[in-house]
Amino acid sequence: DQQVKQNSPSLSVQEGRISILNCDYTNSMFDYFLWYKKYPAEGPTFLISISSIKDKNEDGRFTVFLNKSAKHLSLHIVPSQPGDSAVYFCAASAGASNTGKLIFGQGTTLQVKP
Amino acid sequence: KAGVTQTPRYLIKTRGQQVTLSCSPISGHRSVSWYQQTPGQGLQFLFEYFSETQRNKGNFPGRFSGRQFSNSRSEMNVSTLELGDSALYLCASSFLDSGANVLTFGAGSRLTVL
Repeated sequence: DQQVKQNSPSLSVQEGRISILNCDYTNSMFDYFLWYKKYPAEGPTFLISISSIKDKNEDGRFTVFLNKSAKHLSLHIVPSQPGDSAVYFCAASAGASNTGKLIFGQGTTLQVKP
Repeated sequence: KAGVTQTPRYLIKTRGQQVTLSCSPISGHRSVSWYQQTPGQGLQFLFEYFSETQRNKGNFPGRFSGRQFSNSRSEMNVSTLELGDSALYLCASSFLDSGANVLTFGAGSRLTVL
């Protein structure tokens, strides 16, 4: 039972354009969502997060949107840069007692072409 | 501020052996979580420790165990290794500010079981 799904294994965009990465979840108890970026041979690096009481959070070039009714969130990267090429993971947690227990999606490989 | 340190970075074992992996969290972080990353299953939660107590446990067999010491350093052990245990084992630490908990990951320990 995959509670967090990233249905697009890969995405390719041109430098300077917008990258949109999508994530769906099934567990309505999830109340905190995070995006991580991962390069080969390194651990995941935190990008941005959003609480379920919000529908949008911005940090520089990165914006996360949350649609609770659709159980869907997305990460927008504008403008995309070649250094953004990596695997992006969506993750979720449910409740204060589970904040160390993240449920991850399978990841989306983003390639930004110069 | 030093990041999350995992040792060893790479190791090779044979079936039936056991292995111990170590994790030193960021100074001041009291929660340590462990994850397994494989190509087929993605990133899966193993367990979380806080103040030397296991706070959460994932769906892994009893061969997988862990502990946390009074200085928050953590170890995980896998006994009677199987080929399927070959994976990247990631440790993450956090301050555990409930409700807005960002995990910081180490670079991982790459285990190969032959």
